[in-house]
Amino acid sequence: AQSVSQHNHHVILSEAASLELGCNYSYGGTVNLFWYVQYPGQHLQLLLKYFSGDPLVKGIKGFEAEFIKSKFSFNLRKPSVQWSDTAEYFCAVNPPGGYNKLIFGAGTRLAVHP
Amino acid sequence: EAQVTQNPRYLITVTGKKLTVTCSQNMNHEYMSWYRQDPGLGLRQIYYSMNVEVTDKGDVPEGYKVSRKEKRNFPLILESPSPNQTSLYFCASSTSGRPNTGELFFGEGSRLTVL
Repeated sequence: AQSVSQHNHHVILSEAASLELGCNYSYGGTVNLFWYVQYPGQHLQLLLKYFSGDPLVKGIKGFEAEFIKSKFSFNLRKPSVQWSDTAEYFCAVNPPGGYNKLIFGAGTRLAVHP
Repeated sequence: EAQVTQNPRYLITVTGKKLTVTCSQNMNHEYMSWYRQDPGLGLRQIYYSMNVEVTDKGDVPEGYKVSRKEKRNFPLILESPSPNQTSLYFCASSTSGRPNTGELFFGEGSRLTVL
């Protein structure tokens, strides 16, 4: 079945460590890609999105993601995490022809220790 | 303040007792959607609405109903809740008529437990 996979379910880091969260999708054709974040007790909010153009996308709060078409991947990165980055991160894909919905990955819980 | 408001935020109910989770947005968005979030499964779409009086099934519509009589409101109805509908529910709306070109704005979630 076509899907969105996030390989890391739980990640624990110390402050100032670098972060990379994996996201792979199995849809062919042109896709639109998103990363959403859910801070504890809050609603999901958009971190960044990719539609076309430069495959390196910069988002809010110092996050970036790289689209690698040949690998069907859209990994999220941050050079130096902070305690306030503790949250759950969701990769989402708008598949070809699926203009009316997003397909979400299972999410990655990130805990950053001071 | 632009927001999507869901009520109730928390609810414990019993099997078979009809309930409605309300969703209201104040951004004049045409597109609205309901998702459920379950551990290890991420968010899965239940129903969506492209505009007033236009609704359609998502990936997991069984056991749910929706209506869209006004642009701002999109209630989720569980006619006869069952324990497998215990979940965290999110309502979302979109800046454009389609979510793939815009940003989804989410409500704060409604945690439902069916005993």
